[in-house]
Amino acid sequence: GIQVEQSPPDLILQEGANSTLRCNFSDSVNNLQWFHQNPWGQLINLFYIPSGTKQNGRLSATTVATERYSLLYISSSQTTDSGVYFCAVDSFTGGGNKLTFGTGTQLKVEL
Amino acid sequence: EAQVTQNPRYLITVTGKKLTVTCSQNMNHEYMSWYRQDPGLGLRQIYYSMNVEVTDKGDVPEGYKVSRKEKRNFPLILESPSPNQTSLYFCASSLGGIEQFFGPGTRLTVL
Repeated sequence: GIQVEQSPPDLILQEGANSTLRCNFSDSVNNLQWFHQNPWGQLINLFYIPSGTKQNGRLSATTVATERYSLLYISSSQTTDSGVYFCAVDSFTGGGNKLTFGTGTQLKVEL
Repeated sequence: EAQVTQNPRYLITVTGKKLTVTCSQNMNHEYMSWYRQDPGLGLRQIYYSMNVEVTDKGDVPEGYKVSRKEKRNFPLILESPSPNQTSLYFCASSLGGIEQFFGPGTRLTVL
């Protein structure tokens, strides 16, 4: 099946700093989503981005499908950005509308 | 408000006592799925449904049952729960099998 790798695994930032999270995937995809799992365990949809670039406030994402990677940018980070960020993909060859998740980036934003 | 709801949010039970976790979505989505999240193993798909009366196994279906009698509901049934089913469970739905939206999660502990 498709493999999803995220980096870095852990990240500590001072409030106000910027960061870039990376997601590499091993096959062509028809769906790529970024999620934030908050400290209460909820999965929050950030972006649906199988290709191209999107922005939402301080967050933006870019997927280069031909090179099989996606980037999530967090600017002017805040303590509420803390949590785990997951990239998840669904490939053309997979069935059942199944998202394969990466192992996540654990982000901690400190004052 | 468009959303996926799950009940209960937290449950502690004992081995062998049948339980049902409900999932409901108000977005008229055809696709619905159940995932479980475990430390070190990430999120894995249990079952999915592509429409009413159409269900199929995901990656880890053993010990679970599902039904899809109505479009909006997709309950997860544990006929005889065991401690290895202690996990964080998520229900998800999508329109056309693309962007998936997740419920708030159900933390299940089986003693």
